[in-house]
Amino acid sequence: DQQVKQNSPSLSVQEGRISILNCDYTNSMFDYFLWYKKYPAEGPTFLISISSIKDKNEDGRFTVFLNKSAKHLSLHIVPSQPGDSAVYFCAASARTGGGADGLTFGKGTHLIIQP
Amino acid sequence: DAGVIQSPRHEVTEMGQEVTLRCKPISGHDYLFWYRQTMMRGLELLIYFNNNVPIDDSGMPEDRFSAKMPNASFSTLKIQPSEPRDSAVYFCASSFWLGQGNTEAFFGQGTRLTVV
Repeated sequence: DQQVKQNSPSLSVQEGRISILNCDYTNSMFDYFLWYKKYPAEGPTFLISISSIKDKNEDGRFTVFLNKSAKHLSLHIVPSQPGDSAVYFCAASARTGGGADGLTFGKGTHLIIQP
Repeated sequence: DAGVIQSPRHEVTEMGQEVTLRCKPISGHDYLFWYRQTMMRGLELLIYFNNNVPIDDSGMPEDRFSAKMPNASFSTLKIQPSEPRDSAVYFCASSFWLGQGNTEAFFGQGTRLTVV
């Protein structure tokens, strides 16, 4: 059973518009969430994160929103640029007992920015 | 720092052969993770180490898979014997403690394994 779900395998957005990528989770122990970006033949690279004590975190064109009651987070990219075309992974971690769990990833959403 | 370094980048092997994947984490990081990426299952955590000690290997699919971390700067993931269904991209990642105020794990470029 997938604990982190990205229900849209792909998303196509016009350049300059807003891209919204969604992620749902089921494990209520998750308290730290991250978005990673992956280009072909490369490893995932960190994009932005949010702790469960916040509901929003912003970094330039990227904003992550967290709705704990709905167990839902989203990544907004405004404005979308051609270089944003990549696979985006949502990930979650349960920082139990002061240690670290490995990150649990969703299956990814392939974002395609159209000129 | 050069980041997480994995070798080889590509590996093609015949079914039944032993395969060893290698990883050098970022210096100073005390956590090391091995992940596998497939189309069907996405990115799955196989095992992770803290201070060279395996903490959770529940993601290791079978006894054919084993991982070691003999020192803070080197880890291996071994598959023996390999099978075609092991074909995937294997990623190594390292981090400081993913705790309060910390950020993310850093990934290597991956090893694409093909078992024929």
